[in-house]
Order: sequence, then C-alpha cells, then structure tokens
Amino acid sequence: DAKTTQPPSMDCAEGRAANLPCNHSTISGNEYVYWYRQIHSQGPQYIIHGLKNNETNEMASLIITEDRKSSTLILPHATLRDTAVYYCIVSYENAGNNRKLIWGLGTSLAVNP
Amino acid sequence: NAGVMQNPRHLVRRRGQEARLRCSPMKGHSHVYWYRQLPEEGLKFMVYLQKENIIDESGMPKERFSAEFPKEGPSILRIQQVVRGDSAAYFCASSPTIMNTEAFFGQGTRLTVV
Repeated sequence: DAKTTQPPSMDCAEGRAANLPCNHSTISGNEYVYWYRQIHSQGPQYIIHGLKNNETNEMASLIITEDRKSSTLILPHATLRDTAVYYCIVSYENAGNNRKLIWGLGTSLAVNP
Repeated sequence: NAGVMQNPRHLVRRRGQEARLRCSPMKGHSHVYWYRQLPEEGLKFMVYLQKENIIDESGMPKERFSAEFPKEGPSILRIQQVVRGDSAAYFCASSPTIMNTEAFFGQGTRLTVV
C-alpha cells in the first residue's frame, strides 16, 4: 500500500501558484519523498525529490515539514501544460536493500485559463 | 542521449496469445523497472532488474509473466496466454544507480487483449 495520502483533485488558475499537499506520516528516517507527474496517457515525468531540506529546481519547489510527516509541491506559475496527475511517493526499501516506488492515486490537477 | 524507449507503443493480442514488451533503458543505465497501470489507477510495481539479474519480482504475477534483462539488448516483459485482465499500460523505467536517484520512464506500451 502507498505510504502517502493526497487529495484526489485540485484546481488552479493559470499563472497562479499551485500548491499540492501530501501526507506521509509513517515515513522513516532514511526514506525520500519523490514527486512525479503523469500527463494524460504519457509516461510519468520526474519532478523533484528530497529528504528533509526544502528543494528547488527549474520545475518546482518541494517544502518538507520539520517532522517530515507532510510535504507540499509548489508549481510557482502554473500553465495549462501543467494539467496532470501528480504523484507523491515515499521511496520504499525492502529487506534486500532494494528501493522501489509505491504509487498511490495521486492528485489530478486542473489548470484553468 | 535518447530517453527510455519502449516498443511497441500499442499492442493488440487475442486471448491465449503471447505478448512481448521491450524496453531499452537510457544510455549508461543498468537498472530497469517495470510497472503496470490499469485505467484510473496508479502505477503498480512489477519487477526490478539489473543486467542479467532479477533483483525484486515481488509485484509479478506468479504465472504467465516473466521478465529478463540480458547482457546485450533490451529488457523484455513477456506475458504468456494473455487474458482480458492483462489489458493495461505497461511502463518501463531506468536509473543509473539504486540509491536516491530519479527513475526515467518510457512512454509505455498499451496492451489490449481482445
């Protein structure tokens, strides 16, 4: 089962910031938070990931709370092309020290003109 | 540097036939992951392979499904005696190392069993 919970859907006006929340209250100390998005019928696209510090790249910012139980993905100036399903994932490490991504249902973000 | 290449993009098979899905990872990547996605659902992990080795197949159905990543050539996901419930999008991803790096996904193969 996915270790994260996200709202099923969100709306955002074009040009405004989109703030996508994610709860991961059972995250372990060495587990990372990853964000991917999937535009309709395409392969998932990596956005950003982090451990405990806030991260920023050319696509987005990731804000992780101090207790690491939740995070927020911020798209600073959403465009229509940002309409997609956004997945928050906690990397899973099994007994064999192999990591894999456990995907939930994500948040369907609709950017409106 | 080409991305992860999957082929075919669309595959139609009759019940009972075999389906072969191919995945060429990004250059320099030696880790391959296969995921399955049913309509309106998230991705489900199937198998993780390194060159010539299956590392984790905990998400693979016990029967009819197999995967390989030979020393030369693409990774292959094989589904024998397909049934309608196998209809889904199958995504392959690759990464250069296992630790804390992003995986890059292909565009998927959409399998339809008729």
